[in-house]
Amino acid sequence: DAGVIQSPRHEVTEMGQEVTLRCKPISGHNSLFWYRQTMMRGLELLIYFNNNVPIDDSGMPEDRFSAKMPNASFSTLKIQPSEPRDSAVYFCASSPGGGSGNTIYFGEGSWLTVV
Amino acid sequence: AQSVTQLGSHVSVSEGALVLLRCNYSSSVPPYLFWYVQYPNQGLQLLLKYTSAATLVKGINGFEAEFKKSETSFHLTKPSAHMSDAAEYFCAVSGSSASKIIFGSGTRLSIRP
Repeated sequence: DAGVIQSPRHEVTEMGQEVTLRCKPISGHNSLFWYRQTMMRGLELLIYFNNNVPIDDSGMPEDRFSAKMPNASFSTLKIQPSEPRDSAVYFCASSPGGGSGNTIYFGEGSWLTVV
Repeated sequence: AQSVTQLGSHVSVSEGALVLLRCNYSSSVPPYLFWYVQYPNQGLQLLLKYTSAATLVKGINGFEAEFKKSETSFHLTKPSAHMSDAAEYFCAVSGSSASKIIFGSGTRLSIRP
């Protein structure tokens, strides 16, 4: 079975440019999560969706960040404009949903460097 | 609200020695607890999880964890460390009202030959 698929795996961009990260969750999973991982802050939950609807976006750092889930098989995380402090690994994850206790499955991550 | 605290950002043990990674949780509802492992340049993968069926949970690669409500702990152990266990380990918690999972800050495990 295919796992959570993220693209791009690596991106280097210049400050001020728009960055779009993409995620395809595991088929049949109802919940999708975006996490950010840095040395300083560890693993932070940015936003999560249930049935394509954003449930909690309190972790989104500021208005430069936005996330969408237009359908059950696709989600994007956009940063506009990007800044050097946005450099991090961004993980997408999905779970079957339907309540707590469900395992969430992570993608391999998108490594973003903003110079 | 739920949270987890992992004691020790870095643990180093000798190959063949006991591995003990500590995790304490806080939850206003009965928690679901998880341990995930992250190998270099990879995503996180599930080691084991507690969902109230049994307090001693066995996971992959010989790891196990014991849920102790009185101590609000969910420590991860392995009787004999192997070089391949070197990785970052994350404790996580979720509650009964939502499906989101909150992760601890992680513990990096190093194995000495």
